[in-house]
Amino acid sequence: DAGVIQSPRHEVTEMGQEVTLRCKPISGHNSLFWYRQTMMRGLELLIYFNNNVPIDDSGMPEDRFSAKMPNASFSTLKIQPSEPRDSAVYFCASRRTGGNQPQHFGDGTRLSIL
Amino acid sequence: GDSVTQMEGPVTLSEEAFLTINCTYTATGYPSLFWYVQYPGEGLQLLLKATKADDKGSNKGFEATYRKETTSFHLEKGSVQVSDSAVYFCALHSGAGSYQLTFGKGTKLSVIP
Repeated sequence: DAGVIQSPRHEVTEMGQEVTLRCKPISGHNSLFWYRQTMMRGLELLIYFNNNVPIDDSGMPEDRFSAKMPNASFSTLKIQPSEPRDSAVYFCASRRTGGNQPQHFGDGTRLSIL
Repeated sequence: GDSVTQMEGPVTLSEEAFLTINCTYTATGYPSLFWYVQYPGEGLQLLLKATKADDKGSNKGFEATYRKETTSFHLEKGSVQVSDSAVYFCALHSGAGSYQLTFGKGTKLSVIP
């Protein structure tokens, strides 16, 4: 089975540029999560979608961050404009809703803002 | 609110040593408990899980038992290998109606030959 697929794996860009991270969840999973991981803060949940609808975006750090899920097989996380403090590894995860289903993580996008 | 506390790392062990990584939790209701492993440069992978008290999760030689009386879910392995070097995360899911995983801060394990 294909796992959660994220692209790009690495992104290096200059501050002020727009950054778009992409995620394809596992087929049949109807919950999707975006996380950010840094040494200082560990893993932080940014936003949670259920059936393509954003349910909880309280973890999105500020208005520069936005996320969409136009269909069940695709989601994007956008940062505009980007800043050096946004440098981190961004993970997407998906799961089947209900019961005790675990989250399945992608390999992440390592983002560096210069 | 829910919380997970796991032992601070880093932990350095010699190959074939016994591993214990402690994890305790605070949660309402009847949570499910998980251990995830993160190898360098990769995402988190589910290592094992337990969904009710006294359940034992096991995978790849790792084990953890859901202890409700001590609110613990300690990870153990009898003989570690160099390939087990990674960061290990304990996590809980509160159960029905909840969507969030609450993670511990992670414990970095280094196994030396």
